[in-house]
Amino acid sequence: QVLLVQSGAEVKKPGASVKVSCKASGYTFTSDDINWVRQATGQGLEWMGWMNPNSGNTGYAQKFQGRVTMTRNTSISTAYMELSSLRSEDTAVYYCARPFCINAVCYPYFDPWGQGTLVTVSS
Amino acid sequence: QSALTQPPSASGSPGQSVTISCTGTSSDVGGYNYVSWYQQRPGKAPKLVIYEVSKWPSGVPDRFSGSKSGNTASLTVSGLQAEDEADYYCSSYAGSNNVLFGGGTKLTVL
Repeated sequence: QVLLVQSGAEVKKPGASVKVSCKASGYTFTSDDINWVRQATGQGLEWMGWMNPNSGNTGYAQKFQGRVTMTRNTSISTAYMELSSLRSEDTAVYYCARPFCINAVCYPYFDPWGQGTLVTVSS
Repeated sequence: QSALTQPPSASGSPGQSVTISCTGTSSDVGGYNYVSWYQQRPGKAPKLVIYEVSKWPSGVPDRFSGSKSGNTASLTVSGLQAEDEADYYCSSYAGSNNVLFGGGTKLTVL
């Protein structure tokens, strides 16, 4: 059973950085990308970017370029998303998600998702 | 790139059908068949219910169906059940490894 388990809630001050982790199990961590999606309270989903755990290659949505960094530690099957220069508008639930794959081909759909990590930015 | 456009709300009585639209552009919905739909219940992570415009992941009932015409995709839920009450989000590949989501539609079962 594929499972993504994320780190716990965080409270940060404006201007600080936050690093959220996503531990994968039930499959070969380096075989598929990890994507990150966020959701502000009462708002829609917003795709942030992807990371290939095998190569470390990344791709970020234009909105987050320069502020987001996605990394991984393959020895513990864990992906990380770090967001810097936090502002109140970054208060949201952050999700990691694996691409939906059929016969070893992966597509730009997401399943499963982690349980989400609430990041609150407040002075 | 702007979010895809969905109606904020939709509703139907048990047993009825309801359709939710998702409008994009020729650079996303209209340009690729990589359209998907997600169901999200309160406090839970989204769940994939439709992929590649009209296909079902394992375990999703065929009461859910998807289609696309031009720059607009649609999700139809037939034989509405109380358990279908949730938020629904469309998503589309937008080229250059980018993905867009819609703003979401709250489905109410009356």
